[in-house]
Amino acid sequence: GEDVEQSLFLSVREGDSSVINCTYTDSSSTYLYWYKQEPGAGLQLLTYIFSNMDMKQDQRLTVLLNKKDKHLSLRIADTQTGDSAIYFCAEKPGSQGNLIFGKGTKLSVKP
Amino acid sequence: GAGVSQTPSNKVTEKGKYVELRCDPISGHTALYWYRQSLGQGPEFLIYFQGTGAADDSGLPNDRFFAVRPEGSVSTLKIQRTERGDSAVYLCASSFSGGKFEQFFGPGTRLTVL
Repeated sequence: GEDVEQSLFLSVREGDSSVINCTYTDSSSTYLYWYKQEPGAGLQLLTYIFSNMDMKQDQRLTVLLNKKDKHLSLRIADTQTGDSAIYFCAEKPGSQGNLIFGKGTKLSVKP
Repeated sequence: GAGVSQTPSNKVTEKGKYVELRCDPISGHTALYWYRQSLGQGPEFLIYFQGTGAADDSGLPNDRFFAVRPEGSVSTLKIQRTERGDSAVYLCASSFSGGKFEQFFGPGTRLTVL
């Protein structure tokens, strides 16, 4: 079946790096995404990676993909209090138009 | 330009009533998606439109749920005989068709069934 798993909580100190991990199950997934959801706000796409890539870097964000293990991670460098939010990993199976989301990881950044 | 808008932002109804939730996608986006997000969960797919037709409605939980997009733009999600378990935030997203194209999400409609 299709399932996306994430750890539920992560707490870091301001200035440290944060690493949020995700595992997915559908090997046909062509794109994998990271979305951010702040309290009372909609989902915002942070970044995505195509399944034939191993890594993608975008300013403070680094996405690593291990396709063999179906493992995706998001690293946020120099984490700021404004990064506090829930981060969702999502996969887009090749045969489908919709996204399959994990339950989200709540990132808390302490000053 | 304007993003995805959803109305109402909040809807409180009584068990057994009928509700309609509206989504206005970004102009020019041919694909439209409905998701449902319960407390502490990620969004769960309900239905996906490509133009006017439902390309995939496999996520609709039962026949009380129905959605339309008659002119290929605005969509309405309709829930009959609402139950307390239908309480959730209903999210709408739109995108250009296919591929990696980003799904832009609206702010959602919070539905509470008493």
